[in-house]
Amino acid sequence: SQTIHQWPATLVQPVGSPLSLECTVEGTSNPNLYWYRQAAGRGLQLLFYSVGIGQISSEVPQNLSASRPQDRQFILSSKKLLLSDSGFYLCAWSIYTGELFFGEGSRLTVL
Amino acid sequence: GENVEQHPSTLSVQEGDSAVIKCTYSDSASNYFPWYKQELGKRPQLIIDIRSNVGEKKDQRIAVTLNKTAKHFSLHITETQPEDSAVYFCAASYSGGGADGLTFGKGTHLIIQP
Repeated sequence: SQTIHQWPATLVQPVGSPLSLECTVEGTSNPNLYWYRQAAGRGLQLLFYSVGIGQISSEVPQNLSASRPQDRQFILSSKKLLLSDSGFYLCAWSIYTGELFFGEGSRLTVL
Repeated sequence: GENVEQHPSTLSVQEGDSAVIKCTYSDSASNYFPWYKQELGKRPQLIIDIRSNVGEKKDQRIAVTLNKTAKHFSLHITETQPEDSAVYFCAASYSGGGADGLTFGKGTHLIIQP
């Protein structure tokens, strides 16, 4: 069966520091991969999606970037974090039928 | 692009009563409508979904209805229990086409009163 792993689960970073969140999917090939952010409140904001290695689409311009170096690996990065980057970051994958499955999430606090 | 509106933002019901959450969507091409449940501090999890070729789907105490003409769909939870307390998200997409994933509603915080 398919599983998705995301880490780290929690991190506290100072303003201006770099960020790297990693996500891997097992048990499937060529999935669509996504990064969502959930700020205070409830909404799920799509940040990036990828349909294949090296293919990244950005939904929201910001100081974050994403990369997909391998088929089942998706990385979210920042060179310099802002206070407004705090939130709950969720990696997700989907198959052609549309179902979307989320990782366990990474809670980022920027101080 | 797709726009999904979800109501209400907060819903409080007595344990044992029914809860209904409603969503509307804008893109008539959308054909896949899932519902997610998110407990506090956890990831959203798919609880039920419906495709445009059916009007209703049930899974035990949970049901979803779809009205394609009116472009709205609803989640119905019967005989609510304390463990139903969570934030619920509706979503819409055109599956098999766009890879830009689901468009989510803003969520409904369901509170089950004992």
